[in-house]
Amino acid sequence: EVQLQESGPGLVKPSQSLSLTCSVTGYSITSNYWGWIRKFPGNKMEWIGHISYSGSTSYNPSLKSRISITRDTSKNQFFLQLNSVTTEDTATYYCARWDGGYSGPYYWYFDFWGPGTMVTVSS
Amino acid sequence: NTVMTQSPTSMFISVGDRVTMNCKASQNVGTNVDWYQQKTGQSPKLLIYGASNRYTGVPDRFTGSGSGTDFTLTISNMQAEDLAVYYCLQYNYNPLTFGSGTKLEIK
Repeated sequence: EVQLQESGPGLVKPSQSLSLTCSVTGYSITSNYWGWIRKFPGNKMEWIGHISYSGSTSYNPSLKSRISITRDTSKNQFFLQLNSVTTEDTATYYCARWDGGYSGPYYWYFDFWGPGTMVTVSS
Repeated sequence: NTVMTQSPTSMFISVGDRVTMNCKASQNVGTNVDWYQQKTGQSPKLLIYGASNRYTGVPDRFTGSGSGTDFTLTISNMQAEDLAVYYCLQYNYNPLTFGSGTKLEIK
């Protein structure tokens, strides 16, 4: 079964960089797409970006200047770096697999999710 | 960005009720909408993809419908285990955008 697990610091100071790791077991990250999503206090959810099976990336334009998603295929991990964080970046961060198929129209979905990691930005 | 407006924000329901929640897109997204269920302390779970396709293992009391700008998730015969926050997600346009969620609570 596909399993994802986020890891990283739970507390980051303002203006610093946030670095998170998503470790994947049961499936190779050289297939499919792999994404980061965050949930803010108060329930708002935001898509951060994806990295594809080939290593290409797609980012939310609202974060594009501050984020980088990379991967290490030898460890079957992908990473999120978010620079110049502020208190507004306090959230629970999830990694998930983005999968899809075709049944007339194409369809896509996040089918496997990590449990999430809470990150607080505070001095 | 495509704004997904979910309504209502919360609902107080009883076990056995039929529950209907809505998601309205600010522009035509075709059928490129998923629905996710998130229980307290858990990660989101996929319920419906492509607006109306039930994901593997999802009980048939969950039904998704709609196309274009208006989408509905219906839970027939609400169960206590269905208490959660429900989100819609559009993936027709970049960036992908979520609705603000509908929280189901016990009456």
